[in-house]
Amino acid sequence: AQSVTQLGSHVSVSEGALVLLRCNYSSSVPPYLFWYVQYPNQGLQLLLKYTTGATLVKGINGFEAEFKKSETSFHLTKPSAHMSDAAEYFCAVVGGGYGGATNKLIFGTGTLLAVQP
Amino acid sequence: DTAVSQTPKYLVTQMGNDKSIKCEQNLGHDTMYWYKQDSKKFLKIMFSYNNKELIINETVPNRFSPKSPDKAHLNLHINSLELGDSAVYFCASSQIGQASPLHFGNGTRLTVT
Repeated sequence: AQSVTQLGSHVSVSEGALVLLRCNYSSSVPPYLFWYVQYPNQGLQLLLKYTTGATLVKGINGFEAEFKKSETSFHLTKPSAHMSDAAEYFCAVVGGGYGGATNKLIFGTGTLLAVQP
Repeated sequence: DTAVSQTPKYLVTQMGNDKSIKCEQNLGHDTMYWYKQDSKKFLKIMFSYNNKELIINETVPNRFSPKSPDKAHLNLHINSLELGDSAVYFCASSQIGQASPLHFGNGTRLTVT
């Protein structure tokens, strides 16, 4: 069965520092991977996705992630943190069990990013 | 211009009551979902409908009954509410297909007392 593991439930960085949020996946088939962001009292917003093709994926707000099959990883990075990046970040993989066309997302447990001034 | 809208935003009720949450999307998507987010922020899929047909039905108590009158609407009715049902319930929509990203509503915070 597909699953994702997010290492670090809390990450704190200084404004302007590199952001690195870790995600490792487990999948018996080529994975479709997503990163979502959740601001307080809001729904989830798509940051970026990997399906096929280029392994370095660029998303919104300056975030990017690299798919590394050999490491089963899909870590999220941003070169320079901004105060507005403070939020909860979720990695997700498409799960199975309902046929190839179904978009059933399996989410990680989330990483809360704090940005210090 | 809200894409996925849920009502109500907050719902406080007593154990044993029956309540409904409504969801509407104006993105033209053919698939809609209900997710539950618990107090530890863990998100789990409950149901999904594609063109009014139930396509995902996870292990959810049968007190929860989704209904999709058309592909733009997906409602969730919960009977005999229990304390453990307290959570944030998110509606989402997408086009069918594993590469299609989900668009989420802002959630309904259900508190059962």
